[in-house]
Amino acid sequence: GDSVTQMEGPVTLSEEAFLTINCTYTATGYPSLFWYVQYPGEGLQLLLKATKADDKGSNKGFEATYRKETTSFHLEKGSVQVSDSAVYFCALFWQAGTALIFGKGTTLSVSS
Amino acid sequence: KAGVTQTPRYLIKTRGQQVTLSCSPISGHRSVSWYQQTPGQGLQFLFEYFSETQRNKGNFPGRFSGRQFSNSRSEMNVSTLELGDSALYLCASSFVSGTSTDTQYFGPGTRLTVL
Repeated sequence: GDSVTQMEGPVTLSEEAFLTINCTYTATGYPSLFWYVQYPGEGLQLLLKATKADDKGSNKGFEATYRKETTSFHLEKGSVQVSDSAVYFCALFWQAGTALIFGKGTTLSVSS
Repeated sequence: KAGVTQTPRYLIKTRGQQVTLSCSPISGHRSVSWYQQTPGQGLQFLFEYFSETQRNKGNFPGRFSGRQFSNSRSEMNVSTLELGDSALYLCASSFVSGTSTDTQYFGPGTRLTVL
């Protein structure tokens, strides 16, 4: 079945460091891809999305490109801040299934 | 525009009891989905409703049920609670146009603790 695999955390960085969180997916076809972020004690917030191959989603300095050839959607940010500390979830969505399939989440901790 | 709201935010129940959680979607969103989040299993899809009809269901026992009302508000019910039902229950709403369901936006969740 369809699945999403994220790099294991936690990821610990210093402020202003470069961030990459790897995400790969397994699916028959071309689903929409998402990154959601969860801050402590809160629900999920949409960070960015891409709906077709080679699309680049971006928001708040974060970027991810839908790579069909490598079935990947890696999240990157050039300079992280302490306020970026959270859990990040990669997810795929099928119209037919009307359900998001999530990776296990990656915890990011940024220190000043 | 107001976001997705969920009530209550916190709930403590004992084994064997039943519980009802409520979700109000973003205005204009007619699709409501429910997810369970636990440390061990992560985020798992429960079910999705559109126009008062369940369109899709995840792999959960029949103790988990839901419904949607004509104003798109949704409730989920868990009967005969088990310790393993302790989790954060998240509701998400999305806009539907024709056969296309748009991005899902999540509420803050209901934290259920079963003792």
